[in-house]
Amino acid sequence: GQNIDQPTEMTATEGTIVQINCTYQTSGFNGLFWYQQHAGEAPTFLSYNVLDGLEEKGRFSSFLSRSKGYSYLLLKELQMKDSASYLCAVLGQAGTALIFGKGTTLSVSS
Amino acid sequence: DAGVIQSPRHEVTEMGQEVTLRCKPISGHDYLFWYRQTMMRGLELLIYFNNNVPIDDSGMPEDRFSAKMPNASFSTLKIQPSEPRDSAVYFCASSQRELNTEAFFGQGTRLTVV
Repeated sequence: GQNIDQPTEMTATEGTIVQINCTYQTSGFNGLFWYQQHAGEAPTFLSYNVLDGLEEKGRFSSFLSRSKGYSYLLLKELQMKDSASYLCAVLGQAGTALIFGKGTTLSVSS
Repeated sequence: DAGVIQSPRHEVTEMGQEVTLRCKPISGHDYLFWYRQTMMRGLELLIYFNNNVPIDDSGMPEDRFSAKMPNASFSTLKIQPSEPRDSAVYFCASSQRELNTEAFFGQGTRLTVV
């Protein structure tokens, strides 16, 4: 079976840092993806991790621990436009499709 | 490239009617995916194709749902007959051959069955 867990909702203040956690149990592992989805729009790609460690891309960073089945997305210097749903997705066995968590809705307030 | 193109963007239909959703993937992409998104269940994989061949349709809810990909630039998802519980946003996505490339999503079709 496959299971991906992430918190349903989070709130944060503009200018601060927020960490969104994701734990997973999947058959096989070929990478973990984070997507951002604004209300009424399509998911868009943020980051990809396949090896343990931290990947940094501007204000966004993503961390992976394969032994723990754990990842987090770190958003720095939060802006109002970061209010969105953040989806954790795992690519299990080779040649298969991304399996998504239910997403974490982040609300950024001033 | 214009990205993944889905049509229609919105569809309202009566229970029992046939619904056909359409998707044009990004040119050169080998994989095409159909997902369904609801508040309760999140983004669920329905079916995916590799080089126009269906690989895994275990996510298709029941026999009322069918999907085809007659060529590399077109796919359809059909629901016949439609039911109110099919109301959701249906996304089509495509990706290249390599595992570490992201899937690109279309804008989705919001389906409402009344």
